[in-house]
Formats: sequence, C-alpha cells, structure tokens
Amino acid sequence: AQSVTQLDSQVPVFEEAPVELRCNYSSSVSVYLFWYVQYPNQGLQLLLKYLSGSTLVKGINGFEAEFNKSQTSFHLRKPSVHISDTAEYFCAVSDLYNFNKFYFGSGTKLNVKP
Amino acid sequence: DAGITQSPRYKITETGRQVTLMCHQTWSHSYMFWYRQDLGHGLRLIYYSAAADITDKGEVPDGYVVSRSKTENFPLTLESATRSQTSVYFCASSGDEQFFGPGTRLTVL
Repeated sequence: AQSVTQLDSQVPVFEEAPVELRCNYSSSVSVYLFWYVQYPNQGLQLLLKYLSGSTLVKGINGFEAEFNKSQTSFHLRKPSVHISDTAEYFCAVSDLYNFNKFYFGSGTKLNVKP
Repeated sequence: DAGITQSPRYKITETGRQVTLMCHQTWSHSYMFWYRQDLGHGLRLIYYSAAADITDKGEVPDGYVVSRSKTENFPLTLESATRSQTSVYFCASSGDEQFFGPGTRLTVL
C-alpha cells in the first residue's frame, strides 16, 4: 500500500512571498501524484498532477510541483502567494496497478497573511 | 450540469439512527469513492466501487454500508449512527483524476 506524508500541518506566509508545501510518499512501484486544494466549506479541486513525462508539473493558479523519484517527493511551490491562496492543500498518490485508488496525506493549511 | 452532487449538504441525527448520504455523478465514471474528513487525519477512504454492483472496503469501512445498483449513484448508509461518525463526508468519482463532490457535514448527537 502507498502512504503519503505531509510534514507541515500549517504553513504561515506573508503575501507575495514564495511558498513550498512538502509531500513525501512511499511506494515500491511506479506512482502517479496529485495535489488538491480545498477552500473553506468546499470540496477538493485538482491543482496539478504527475502521470508521466516531465518531472516539473505546472498547475492552476501559478502553482507547480516537481517529482523527485530518488527522494520520493512531490513538493508544491508558488513563487508569490496571494491572500486568495489561503486554503488546505492535499497531496495524493496512486500507483500503476491500482490507478483509481488514491491515498491522501493529512493536509497542509496555508495561511497567507497581508 | 455535469458534475458530482451530494445530498444532503448538512445533516444532524441521533445516535442509533440510520442515515443515508447520497452521491450522484453525471460523467458515467466507473469508479466512485466515499471519504471522511476529520481534523488531523486528512481524507480516509471508507468504501469504493469499480463499477455497478462491485464495491470494496477502504481504510475505515466499519459501521458503513454502500450499494451501487446504477453507475451514476453511490449511496453511503450509516446503519446505526455513532458519535464517532460525526464528520464531513466526500464522494468522488474517477476519470484520470478524482473529482469531488461538495461534501456532507454530518453531526451525530
């Protein structure tokens, strides 16, 4: 089975500063990786996904993530955050043999301060 | 409109009562999922379904029952609700990513 670790439960950052949200996974097989965002009282929306190809993946709202196989990581980054980025972010993994079954991390709350 | 809907959005019930949460998707996705979201635990998979009449347990299935007689619907039933089942429940369906419904906030008193 897969597992996903998001080490930071909360990340405070000032507006226009860069941010990195960390995600590490464990798997013995090829993986597919996802980042979702959840705004208050809403469901989850996909930010970006890595299925294959370039290890640098660009998503919506200026976010990007880099797949690092050797470090089993898929960290999410944004060079300059906005107040509207305040939300909870979830990393998820699935694998080659059971693509549709996702394993989610415990989430990171990003709090962007003015 | 295409998408995934859940009903009710909010529900308050009492311990021991049966509760059914509804989920409907319009994409004809084969896979559907039920998660619960609790502080500190992220999303935990309760049950999932690969197709109509095919369901399987996830990480936390105890106390829940699912059925899938039609591809588009995937109801989740709490046969005898307990306080520990107070949570936010999300339904999802899967194409090349998982699409989530808006959630049902369930409170068991």
